[in-house]
Amino acid sequence: DVVMTQSPLSLPVTLGQPASISCRPSQSLVHSDGNIYLNWFQQRPGQSPRRLIYKVSYRDSGVPDRFSGSGSGTDFTLEISRVEAEDVGVYYCMQGTHWPRTFGQGTKVEIK
Amino acid sequence: EVQLVESGGDLVKPGGSLRLSCAASGFTFSNEWMGWVRQAPGKGLEWVGRIKRKIDGGGTTDYAAPVKGRFTISRDDSKNTLFLQMNSLKSEDTAVYYCTTDPPGGWWGQGTLVTVST
Repeated sequence: DVVMTQSPLSLPVTLGQPASISCRPSQSLVHSDGNIYLNWFQQRPGQSPRRLIYKVSYRDSGVPDRFSGSGSGTDFTLEISRVEAEDVGVYYCMQGTHWPRTFGQGTKVEIK
Repeated sequence: EVQLVESGGDLVKPGGSLRLSCAASGFTFSNEWMGWVRQAPGKGLEWVGRIKRKIDGGGTTDYAAPVKGRFTISRDDSKNTLFLQMNSLKSEDTAVYYCTTDPPGGWWGQGTLVTVST
């Protein structure tokens, strides 16, 4: 199975400051169709997961442009340019290239 | 508007069975690969299994190792409904079970809680 390693696991941030979460898969996520199926999800307290980013860097509809995804190979990053109070929650990376699908451990973002 | 509504979660004893349902609307259900993801209390997300659409292999299923041989995913495209039959339940199966697409995308249900306990 592909192991998805996130860091940090806890991220205290100051409102208005940037935040960055790393995700490192244990192997390449390049699919036979040439795409990289690396998604980022946000889960606010008491809510279902919500996808923010798909295929490394494509933002879902309605997702604020302060969220961005980047990366290649075995090194991917989710960045929040200026953290707002509504960004509090747990963030997960997930690979959809290989079976079984696997998630990172989650990174808890909280306000300092 | 896309909606996925799970139901069927309950308290069940170890060794028991339960069947979850997921009613889909707002999209062409038969066109989508569907799956289940679970989340144990206070823990992260875990992929459970998936079912392909009929035209991609007659509804072939795949399961995560912890549930293989005990859980069965099926679908009724005429009723836009996804199912998860869970047998031989263990305490470690206690979780909120979410219905979503495969791979997980922008559509998720609200989840249904399954508690396996004496």
